[in-house]
Amino acid sequence: QKEVEQDPGPLSVPEGAIVSLNCTYSNSAFQYFMWYRQYSRKGPELLMYTYSSGNKEDGRFTAQVDKSSKYISLFIRDSQPSDSATYLCATSSNFGNEKLTFGTGTRLTIIP
Amino acid sequence: DAGVIQSPRHEVTEMGQEVTLRCKPISGHDYLFWYRQTMMRGLELLIYFNNNVPIDDSGMPEDRFSAKMPNASFSTLKIQPSEPRDSAVYFCASSYGPNTEAFFGQGTRLTVV
Repeated sequence: QKEVEQDPGPLSVPEGAIVSLNCTYSNSAFQYFMWYRQYSRKGPELLMYTYSSGNKEDGRFTAQVDKSSKYISLFIRDSQPSDSATYLCATSSNFGNEKLTFGTGTRLTIIP
Repeated sequence: DAGVIQSPRHEVTEMGQEVTLRCKPISGHDYLFWYRQTMMRGLELLIYFNNNVPIDDSGMPEDRFSAKMPNASFSTLKIQPSEPRDSAVYFCASSYGPNTEAFFGQGTRLTVV
């Protein structure tokens, strides 16, 4: 079993819809949770990170962590075509780039 | 700053050949990371450097893989001999510190035939 599982999609939704992207993880020691966005033919870029459980909001994006069920989510409100990308979740027990365990990514397409 | 620069963007080589991937980190960044990305396994850390010194190479899959960082502005990842299962996108990333955001290059898409 992989330490971080992520549905690869692809996921297609109409513009303006709310998008929900999810990951599950198996290591209860994970405390830091990140979401990366990767456009086609580009490297990943950090979108958001959260520590422990709870929600974090940044504009149209909300990251949610439920440590009891080992489930992490990224919600995108009022989705735009520019949100079309692959979204990678990542977790670690320490906030260090060398410790990150990545999911395989979910490919998202927003249809105008 | 132009960001992390990787070359080449694409590489097609025959099995058994030596492949060298290159990376120029962002100036002033003390940490450099090499990742490999595949559909099946996602993004995996291969090795990382701090101040040009390799710190952890436990992610390097085999002895066929080697990485060097001769100075603060240049790193290479070498595969010798290459095999078809090495086909993947290889990313280089750099960060100012261990706990600061890592910035990724655009990657090198390697195809070994």
